[in-house]
Amino acid sequence: TQLLEQSPQFLSIQEGENLTVYCNSSSVFSSLQWYRQEPGEGPVLLVTVVTGGEVKKLKRLTFQFGDARKDSSLHITAAQPGDTGLYLCAVNNAGNMLTFGGGTRLMVKP
Amino acid sequence: NAGVTQTPKFQVLKTGQSMTLQCAQDMNHEYMSWYRQDPGMGLRLIHYSVGAGITDQGEVPNGYNVSRSTTEDFPLRLLSAAPSQTSVYFCASSYSGQAWTEAFFGQGTRLTVV
Repeated sequence: TQLLEQSPQFLSIQEGENLTVYCNSSSVFSSLQWYRQEPGEGPVLLVTVVTGGEVKKLKRLTFQFGDARKDSSLHITAAQPGDTGLYLCAVNNAGNMLTFGGGTRLMVKP
Repeated sequence: NAGVTQTPKFQVLKTGQSMTLQCAQDMNHEYMSWYRQDPGMGLRLIHYSVGAGITDQGEVPNGYNVSRSTTEDFPLRLLSAAPSQTSVYFCASSYSGQAWTEAFFGQGTRLTVV
C-alpha cells in the first residue's frame, strides 16, 4: 500500500485568491487521481494523471504530475465559493482498490 | 440515472447488533468496493470484488463480511457492531480494473454505534 500525504489539511481563503494543494509519497505511481467530495456526497473524479511531468487543466483547476511520478499538485486560480469541498488524491492499485490521501479541506469565503 | 445507490443513508446501532449496508449499481460494472471514511483519514478500503462470486479483503476488513452473488449488488455486513465502526461508509464501482479507471461512489451511509 502506498502512503499518500496531502498538505495542507485545511485551507480557508477569500473568493478570488489562488491556492495550491499537494500530494506526496516516497513511492512511484503509474497514475494518480484527484477527487472532490462535497458534504453528504461521495467523491467525484476530477482528473487522472498518467505521465511524469504531465499538466492537465480543468477550467480554473490545474493538475500537475511530478517528473518522478512521486508527487502531484492541484492549483486553483481565482477560487470561488463553489470550489469549497474536500480534495482527495488517490492511487488506484488496480481492481478498483484505491488508496487515498488524508485530504485537503478547502473553504472559499465570499 | 441512478449510478451507485446506497441504503440506508443514516443508521444508529447499539453495540453488538448486526446489520447490512446495501449497495447497488446499474452500470454493469464488474468491480465494486467498500470504504470507510473517518475524520482526517481519507477513505480506507474494507473489501472489494472483481466480479460476481469473487471478493477479497482490503486494508481494514476486520468486523465486516461481504458477498457478491450478482453483478449489481455488493452488501456489507457488520456482524457485531462496535463503537470503533462509527464512520461514513462508501460503496464504489468501476467498469475496469485498470489503474486509470474512474471509480463511481454512492452517497454514503453514516453509521453511529452507541
